[in-house]
Amino acid sequence: QVQLQESGPGLVKPSETLSLTCTVSGDSITSGSYYWSWIRQPPGKGLEWIGYIYYSGNTNYNPSLKSRVTISVDTSNNQFSLKLSSVTAADTAVYYCARELIGSGWSYNWFDPWGQGTLVTVSS
Amino acid sequence: EIVMTQSPATLSVSPGERATLSCRASQSVSSNLAWYQQKPGQAPRLLIYGASTRATGIPARFSGSGSGTEFTLTISSLQSEDFAVYYCQQYNHWPTFGQGTKVEIK
Repeated sequence: QVQLQESGPGLVKPSETLSLTCTVSGDSITSGSYYWSWIRQPPGKGLEWIGYIYYSGNTNYNPSLKSRVTISVDTSNNQFSLKLSSVTAADTAVYYCARELIGSGWSYNWFDPWGQGTLVTVSS
Repeated sequence: EIVMTQSPATLSVSPGERATLSCRASQSVSSNLAWYQQKPGQAPRLLIYGASTRATGIPARFSGSGSGTEFTLTISSLQSEDFAVYYCQQYNHWPTFGQGTKVEIK
């Protein structure tokens, strides 16, 4: 059974870079059938897709966040990571990592499963 | 960006009753729509994909329908564990989510 687990600092200062890692167990990140995604949820609000990475390193980002986001992969440790630069209070959210089955033609798909999420607060 | 609009924001239902949740897309997403259930302090759980296919282990009381821009999630007979927030998500273009419908006990 595949499981995903987010890790990283729970508090980041404004203007700094948020860094999180997702560790995957029960599946190989190099299996080739999935994108590995980040999604966030501000407290009390809805969900926002941040972006995904394929094990080869190919990425795709939400256009509204693209200038600040970098997603990378570490196949040797079966992990992928998120960096979000120049954070503000608006970036305070629970950050989830999730697996996304690759659709036909390398299209998008649904997310399953999700990690438990980690709250990141942006504050000085 | 495809905007997903869910209605109502809150649905008050008695246990055993039927719940009908709606999701509308700002442009056609074909059948590229998923539904998730989220309980407080938990991650979303996939219920439905392809607009109408139940995910593994999801009870038959959950059903999805629709295509194009109009979609419905129906819970035929609400159980106590079904009171939660439900989100729709389109994946016809880069993924976007609705703002959620909270199903609460009447």
